[in-house]
Amino acid sequence: GDSVTQMEGPVTLSEEAFLTINCTYTATGYPSLFWYVQYPGEGLQLLLKATKADDKGSNKGFEATYRKETTSFHLEKGSVQVSDSAVYFCALSDQGNQFYFGTGTSLTVIP
Amino acid sequence: GAGVSQTPSNKVTEKGKYVELRCDPISGHTALYWYRQSLGQGPEFLIYFQGTGAADDSGLPNDRFFAVRPEGSVSTLKIQRTERGDSAVYLCASSLLVSTGELFFGEGSRLTVL
Repeated sequence: GDSVTQMEGPVTLSEEAFLTINCTYTATGYPSLFWYVQYPGEGLQLLLKATKADDKGSNKGFEATYRKETTSFHLEKGSVQVSDSAVYFCALSDQGNQFYFGTGTSLTVIP
Repeated sequence: GAGVSQTPSNKVTEKGKYVELRCDPISGHTALYWYRQSLGQGPEFLIYFQGTGAADDSGLPNDRFFAVRPEGSVSTLKIQRTERGDSAVYLCASSLLVSTGELFFGEGSRLTVL
């Protein structure tokens, strides 16, 4: 069945460091891919998405490219801030009826 | 507020008791999802409603779990004869258009079964 495998954390970075969180997926069809973020004390919220191969999703300085050949959707940011400290979840959707989430990667950015 | 509202935010109960968790989605959102999140894990799909009907309940772990959405808005997740293994955060999410893929999540209901 469909699934998402996500880089395990926790990840601790200094402010302005480069961030990569790896995500690979398994799907029978052509899923849409997402990154959701959960800030402390808040619910999950959509960070970015890509709906087809080679699409790049971007938001708040974060980017991820839908790579069909490597079945990956790695999250990147060039310069992280303390306010980026959160838990990040990679997810896929098979036509929108079900969403499959990874286990989450906790990011802590220190000043 | 304008977001997804879940009550209670915290529920502590004893093994064997019955529990109801409520979700009030964003007004006008026709799709509603329930997920369960255990410590250190990602959200695990339980059930999805499109309008009043359960379009997919394949994630419900057993017949102790049941969910309703009688008027196509508020939904209640019901757990009978609770077990310690049911302890988790239960998340509700709603969506305006399933095709956009954007889920709006509530903050969750933390259930602890003693």
